[in-house]
Order: sequence, then structure tokens, then C-alpha cells
Amino acid sequence: NAGVTQTPKFQVLKTGQSMTLQCAQDMNHNSMYWYRQDPGMGLRLIYYSASEGTTDKGEVPNGYNVSRLNKREFSLRLESAAPSQTSVYFCASTGAEGSNQPQHFGDGTRLSIL
Amino acid sequence: RKEVEQDPGPFNVPEGATVAFNCTYSNSASQSFFWYRQDCRKEPKLLMSVYSSGNEDGRFTAQLNRASQYISLLIRDSKLSDSATYLCVVHRAGTALIFGKGTTLSVSS
Repeated sequence: NAGVTQTPKFQVLKTGQSMTLQCAQDMNHNSMYWYRQDPGMGLRLIYYSASEGTTDKGEVPNGYNVSRLNKREFSLRLESAAPSQTSVYFCASTGAEGSNQPQHFGDGTRLSIL
Repeated sequence: RKEVEQDPGPFNVPEGATVAFNCTYSNSASQSFFWYRQDCRKEPKLLMSVYSSGNEDGRFTAQLNRASQYISLLIRDSKLSDSATYLCVVHRAGTALIFGKGTTLSVSS
């Protein structure tokens, strides 16, 4: 059982390049999330999708777009990468938005922007 | 003020010690509470949920005080493998989970 799968695991980009981070879950979860984690900042929510067909902004959405392609997949796109977007990105899923169920995380994408 | 506050530490303790972490949350509408563990910037993993009556899982005990909006995690008989960052997490209806910045624990031999 793979759980939450993120690709790629590592990526280096040049400023201005675009990139899509992929996330897929095989747990039939309704809700999916994208976070970034920077040293000393904790996890910050970028976007989330409560259910297929819906997306909402989180705490730090600027510079990102998302697509909930189907129930399994939730992608995060950087249209024009900036050095400030250098971070570790985590995707997560949970059974239902608004539920008290814990989230399951992917193992992260380490993104460096030069 | 951040919605979830934790002492960042680090807490440096010897093996076998008992250590306690505290967390406060600011929104009284928060409904569910969790402790997650994160190793070396790997993905966070659920350690345990926190229930109003308090709950225990082996060496780990979690407590919730809704009146004071305070959550705690107690680790007894610390092991080297307990070294990690512990994240306090709260949830309220209509939102995603809200993570504290974490408390770092280092257990030494």
C-alpha cells in the first residue's frame, strides 16, 4: 500500500522556470493538501482540496496554482519559480475535510531554485 | 499570535529521562488534537491523537485541558530513537489541520 506518493523527490530549477509537483494517494481519501516547510517556520498550508473538483487557498498561496485532477491526484504548479520558493514540499491526504482524522503525508519534494 | 504555539526547544535529555512538551492553542473552537513526530525533515507521522480524558500509548501520555487551551505530551524512559521534532496539531471545523512549529528533542546516551 503506497499511501501518498510524491514526484519528483528532488529538483533544482533556475529562476523563472516552471514546474509541476505531482501527488497521488491510493487510500480513497476525499481531501488533499499541499504544504511547504522552511527552517524555523513549521508547516505552512499552500492550497487544499476538500473534495474532487474543489480547491481553496491556504496560508501561503501566492506564486502557486493547483489542480485536483481526480480523486487520487492533486498537483502543485510553480509558473515562474523564485528563490523564495526553495523549500521542502509535502502533500497530504485525509478521509474527509472537516473531519478529525489525521493526515497521511507523502515523503516530500526537496526543491531548490537558483 | 500564532494559532498553535510550542516551545521550540531544543530539549536535551539523557536516556531514561522523562520529558514533557507543552502546546497552547488560541481558538476555543478547536475540536481535535494530535501529536505528530517528524524526523530530520522527513514527512510528519501521526504519533497519537489527544482525547479530553487523556490517553496513553506505551511510554507516551497526552493530555488536553480545554479550559486552558493547553495540550501536553509526556515521554517516559526516553530512548535514543525518540530524538525528533514533535508537532502539536489542532483542527476545527471547516479548516485544514493547523500545525505548530514543533519542539525538538535530543536524547543522548
